[in-house]
Amino acid sequence: KNEVEQSPQNLTAQEGEFITINCSYSVGISALHWLQQHPGGGIVSLFMLSSGKKKHGRLIATINIQEKHSSLHITASHPRDSAVYICAVNHFGNEKLTFGTGTRLTIIP
Amino acid sequence: GAGVSQSPSNKVTEKGKDVELRCDPISGHTALYWYRQSLGQGLEFLIYFQGNSAPDKSGLPSDRFSAERTGGSVSTLTIQRTQQEDSAVYLCASSLVTGGNSPLHFGNGTRLTVT
Repeated sequence: KNEVEQSPQNLTAQEGEFITINCSYSVGISALHWLQQHPGGGIVSLFMLSSGKKKHGRLIATINIQEKHSSLHITASHPRDSAVYICAVNHFGNEKLTFGTGTRLTIIP
Repeated sequence: GAGVSQSPSNKVTEKGKDVELRCDPISGHTALYWYRQSLGQGLEFLIYFQGNSAPDKSGLPSDRFSAERTGGSVSTLTIQRTQQEDSAVYLCASSLVTGGNSPLHFGNGTRLTVT
């Protein structure tokens, strides 16, 4: 069992829809990262957070430390948002990231 | 704009040969990380550097894998006597500081194919 669970594994939506991707983890963390990977492309860090909520453009990330859960939201989704979204965590005192298996998002025009 | 640079972008090698992968982090970033992404698999941690020292090598799959970092800057990941299961995309990332306190910046990776 992966320490970092993401859902859904795959998500297909129409352009303009509100998207939510979830991430749950089992052990206390110092930071949680949301990453984006386009097909054949590199990885881009979207957010790093340890509490509360962060917003960047149409992207919003929230984290609930007590429930060990984070969500990534995309408002007014666009085909260019199609990518794999990966949740990763730093456990306390541990530099290495533990990764979720990713959510493949496809936005249809 | 200087991001994290990795070379080569693609490498095809014969089984049994040694390969060297290079990572040039963002200037001033003290932390440098190596990850691996195998086909159809998730990302896995290999090793990280704080300056030139590697406090955590726990992710290196075998003693055929080694890495070094010099001058607090460029890092090389060396795989000796490559095997087919080493085929993967090797990703390097850097951050200003360690401790999960600053965002990671990833390179585009080196796609290694062992034939």
